Amino acid sequence: GAGVSQSPSNKVTEKGKDVELRCDPISGHTALYWYRQRLGQGLEFLIYFQGNSAPDKSGLPSDRFSAERTGESVSTLTIQRTQQEDSAVYLCASSLEVGLKYNEQFFGPGTRLTVL
Amino acid sequence: AQTVTQSQPEMSVQEAETVTLSCTYDTSESDYYLFWYKQPPSRQMILVIRQEAYKQQNATENRFSVNFQKAAKSFSLKISDSQLGDAAMYFCAYRGTGNQFYFGTGTSLTVIP
Repeated sequence: GAGVSQSPSNKVTEKGKDVELRCDPISGHTALYWYRQRLGQGLEFLIYFQGNSAPDKSGLPSDRFSAERTGESVSTLTIQRTQQEDSAVYLCASSLEVGLKYNEQFFGPGTRLTVL
Repeated sequence: AQTVTQSQPEMSVQEAETVTLSCTYDTSESDYYLFWYKQPPSRQMILVIRQEAYKQQNATENRFSVNFQKAAKSFSLKISDSQLGDAAMYFCAYRGTGNQFYFGTGTSLTVIP
């Protein structure tokens, strides 16, 4: 596709359930980022992937959060045993090459997660 | 860690007028990039403008321009001839030698017809 896509666009789940969010980056983009955006807040960095290098997981808030990416393709963000404070919009972004600082990030439309 | 501060949670502007959104940042790095992103109600983040720290000339993109004051660590966005479609959340972002982007908390811009 032409842009970054994310699925589902909305997800409602019950507290304690696991959820999986998907991101399809722009083809050829080596870098992929996940962010969390709580209502009325800015973007909170969660994790980024660069090619086949070890991901930077420094932003993951707890061990209930994990993410995977195979090569330069799809990424999935998994939240286990969801809590109400996990309710937020989860944004994915990709960029052409991490080493070039001027490269902008292209964002997906986000997944709105609601934990009841 | 770098921090980005947007001190104006909300701003409003009359259609066709000019508005300036403020952003300050804290860093010890000399080489970095600054960005303004727009997030309309659709949630889609869109790059508005970017500035390289080593360039003294302020970036301009049509009706959007920045006032980059490196010594003051200030990076404000000026929107001229405001249009209804400019209504959105605006986020200032910083990227330095690391690979993380640091975002401010955003400014909600309302355009009054």
